[in-house]
Amino acid sequence: DTEVTQTPKHLVMGMTNKKSLKCEQHMGHRAMYWYKQKAKKPPELMFVYSYEKLSINESVPSRFSPECPNSSLLNLHLHALQPEDSALYLCASSRNGRVKNEQFFGPGTRLTVL
Amino acid sequence: KNEVEQSPQNLTAQEGEFITINCSYSVGISALHWLQQHPGGGIVSLFMLSSGKKKHGRLIATINIQEKHSSLHITASHPRDSAVYICAVRGSNDYKLSFGAGTTVTVRA
Repeated sequence: DTEVTQTPKHLVMGMTNKKSLKCEQHMGHRAMYWYKQKAKKPPELMFVYSYEKLSINESVPSRFSPECPNSSLLNLHLHALQPEDSALYLCASSRNGRVKNEQFFGPGTRLTVL
Repeated sequence: KNEVEQSPQNLTAQEGEFITINCSYSVGISALHWLQQHPGGGIVSLFMLSSGKKKHGRLIATINIQEKHSSLHITASHPRDSAVYICAVRGSNDYKLSFGAGTTVTVRA
C-alpha cells in the first residue's frame, strides 16, 4: 500500500461548526504533514508530526487543532473557522523527518467555510 | 523574492511536442522534488532528485547542483499531461519544502 488517503473529499461547514479531517497511511511512515493550499498558490505547511509528536507548528491559528493518535493516522480538528480558511487541505507522509525522504501526498480535502 | 523560481508560468503545447519546465533555487538543498497536480486534485510526487538525472516513462528530470537549477522534460506530450507542475526544494536541515509557484501545462489534442 503506497497511498495516503484523506476523508472526506469535500466538506462544507458553517463558522460555528466543529468538524475533523482525517488522513491515513499504511506505509510505515513516521512523519506526517498537514498543508493548506489556496487556489492557484503552492501549498503552505501547517503542521509536522514526527514519531507521533508535534514537531512543527507554523504559527497556525488555534481554530486548527492537529492530532496524531497513532503512527498511521493524522487528524485535523476544525472549530470556529472563517470563510478565508476555505482551501484544499493536503496531508503528506514520509518515512521519517530526515531531509532526503520523499513526501507522499494525499488527494486532499476541499473545505468550504460559509 | 521566492527561494524557488519556476518558468514558464504557463505553457501550451500540441500533442506530441517536447516540453521543458525550469526551476531555479537560491538556497543550499538536500533534495529537489517535482510534483504534479491536476485541477482540483491532490499532489503526485513525480521525482525526488539530489543529483544527476532520473527518468520515468516519458518524464525526465535533471538537476545541476552547482548552477542551482533543475529541469523537467515531458517527451511526446499528451493531453492527460495537462496539469500544474510544481518544483519544491528541501533545505539541508529542514522538514520544510519550499515550493515554486507552479507551471500550468496545457496539451492540446
